[in-house]
Amino acid sequence: DAGITQSPRHKVTETGTPVTLRCHQTENHRYMYWYRQDPGHGLRLIHYSYGVKDTDKGEVSDGYSVSRSKTEDFLLTLESATSSQTSVYFCAISDPGGAQYFGPGTRLLVL
Amino acid sequence: AQSVAQPEDQVNVAEGNPLTVKCTYSVSGNPYLFWYVQYPNRGLQFLLKYITGDNLVKGSYGFEAEFNKSQTSFHLKKPSALVSDSALYFCAVREGGTGNQFYFGTGTSLTVIP
Repeated sequence: DAGITQSPRHKVTETGTPVTLRCHQTENHRYMYWYRQDPGHGLRLIHYSYGVKDTDKGEVSDGYSVSRSKTEDFLLTLESATSSQTSVYFCAISDPGGAQYFGPGTRLLVL
Repeated sequence: AQSVAQPEDQVNVAEGNPLTVKCTYSVSGNPYLFWYVQYPNRGLQFLLKYITGDNLVKGSYGFEAEFNKSQTSFHLKKPSALVSDSALYFCAVREGGTGNQFYFGTGTSLTVIP
């Protein structure tokens, strides 16, 4: 998966708790992205980063925050998890040619 | 606003027959277009892209796609389908130049019947 890892791979949590997902890349690419995948919706962009400490919102950013303190790490935080945030979360990087490469995904279940 | 439409949720094709997975797009500037494939419990894998140049682009695993500017389409094709091609396929678009965000279609599930 193009030098991208995600942790944890699976998580079960309770409504109202904070959750942090980690994405780590070894490719030294500038752009990193967080998506969620839900049936019938395809992939929807949550947040993306265009450099260390440079981030921007995607189309479904409410309830999520991100941080990028190093080129290789991009963290996604669910500030107070809700059942509607049960999903599969994918991290991606974008190479200079424009293609994206995806991590293996994190399955999150919010009870 | 940028968007991608994949009009077919499901495509079935017999092994050995040609396959087509359809994609249309809407973008305000020049489009950068992509196809990805997803196997069960895996992340998306890059297949091919169109940035500029020849309207027919070739990608991984024998897939190709044809860019048609007048029809704003970017259909994925393969001359002879394999059972192993059965997967979920996503089309994506990014606005060329300064665009940073990618927009994905809802996916098309391809089943190749032996």
